Amino acid sequence: GENVEQHPSTLSVQEGDSAVIKCTYSDSASNYFPWYKQELGKGPQLIIDIRSNVGEKKDQRIAVTLNKTAKHFSLHITETQPEDSAVYFCAARESGGGADGLTFGKGTHLIIQP
Amino acid sequence: GAVVSQHPSWVICKSGTSVKIECRSLDFQATTMFWYRQFPKQSLMLMATSNEGSKATYEQGVEKDKFLINHASLTLSTLTVTSAHPEDSSFYICSARGSSLNSPLHFGNGTRLTVT
Repeated sequence: GENVEQHPSTLSVQEGDSAVIKCTYSDSASNYFPWYKQELGKGPQLIIDIRSNVGEKKDQRIAVTLNKTAKHFSLHITETQPEDSAVYFCAARESGGGADGLTFGKGTHLIIQP
Repeated sequence: GAVVSQHPSWVICKSGTSVKIECRSLDFQATTMFWYRQFPKQSLMLMATSNEGSKATYEQGVEKDKFLINHASLTLSTLTVTSAHPEDSSFYICSARGSSLNSPLHFGNGTRLTVT
């Protein structure tokens, strides 16, 4: 099955700086890669996703890049703000592989220092 | 956007009792729903996949007789923790996806279960 590795486990950046979180996956058949933001006591919220037919996707301050050859994808947050502080999870899913759910990374606790 | 409602948000029960958690998709039909368990500061662990009108598929190591899943309609799935014990205390989260395998997955806000 799929295995997703996520780094770093904790990331502290100064407000206004950029933050980058990286994930690798093992199953070359995976072709859908979402990123979720989870605030304390809440469920994960989808913030951006990318499919394997594109290499980059951007939504305001958030961008995701995908390298299919190397099987890794990254989340980039620019101009970080205090409200960006949360736990971020990457995930991978093999499309067409039945009704399987996502395989998640272990999460990155992002701390924005004021 | 798509909304998944999960209820209750928290529940405290006594050991040996059963607890039911509901997961509803509010503005789309969810042919597939998923139930996850999350321990503090850890990732989400998939427990089971719930398909409307059929039996749920459980992940290895998850007791199907203990975690009963019912997906009776395209907008509602329930998870019942039977004969709960303190080790069942956890954060349970449901998610739902539309009819297409390429549909994004949306999560409920989770249920904090505490068994005393």
